[in-house]
Amino acid sequence: GQQLNQSPQSMFIQEGEDVSMNCTSSSIFNTWLWYKQDPGEGPVLLIALYKAGELTSNGRLTAQFGITRKDSFLNISASIPSDVGIYFCAGSKAAGNKLTFGGGTRVLVKP
Amino acid sequence: EPEVTQTPSHQVTQMGQEVILRCVPISNHLYFYWYRQILGQKVEFLVSFYNNEISEKSEIFDDQFSVERPDGSNFTLKIRSTKLEDSAMYFCASSSIRDTERGYTFGSGTRLTVV
Repeated sequence: GQQLNQSPQSMFIQEGEDVSMNCTSSSIFNTWLWYKQDPGEGPVLLIALYKAGELTSNGRLTAQFGITRKDSFLNISASIPSDVGIYFCAGSKAAGNKLTFGGGTRVLVKP
Repeated sequence: EPEVTQTPSHQVTQMGQEVILRCVPISNHLYFYWYRQILGQKVEFLVSFYNNEISEKSEIFDDQFSVERPDGSNFTLKIRSTKLEDSAMYFCASSSIRDTERGYTFGSGTRLTVV
């Protein structure tokens, strides 16, 4: 089936650092979405990308829809403690179609 | 801010029992979905529903599962005879082609524990 490979699987952050994560796919997706999930909660949409090459920002978050439509990255600038959580990329082939999720990137605070 | 509402938040059931998970999607959305997340794993697609019928289902969504939109607002997932491996978080989601700002909106989930 369709697979989204998300990396890294986990990372430690120190307050103020920038964070990057990405997703790649062997097949084309026409929509890329980035979600954050806190423990015991549902995924919350961070950024939605609908056009190849699109670069979109939402506060300290920036995401890009790869020009090949097979990849996307998410950057978090100047991280803060509440950025801790699990971040998922998700792709859709067409409006209304199912989402395929990546394996998630667990963001943790450096001890 | 419109949201997807799921009830109950937690359900414990005995193996072999039937459970019904309930969802109220965003009112002007037309596509409805159920996803599952086993503890510590990624979110997996179960089924999508549009125009009062299933539009796509995954291999997980076998004969033990069914969905229904009994009225204009509720969207339910029924598991006929639960198994231990059905223990997971179940998320309902809805979307609309016109509502691109919100993308696919997820509920907070129902934690199903089968004992």
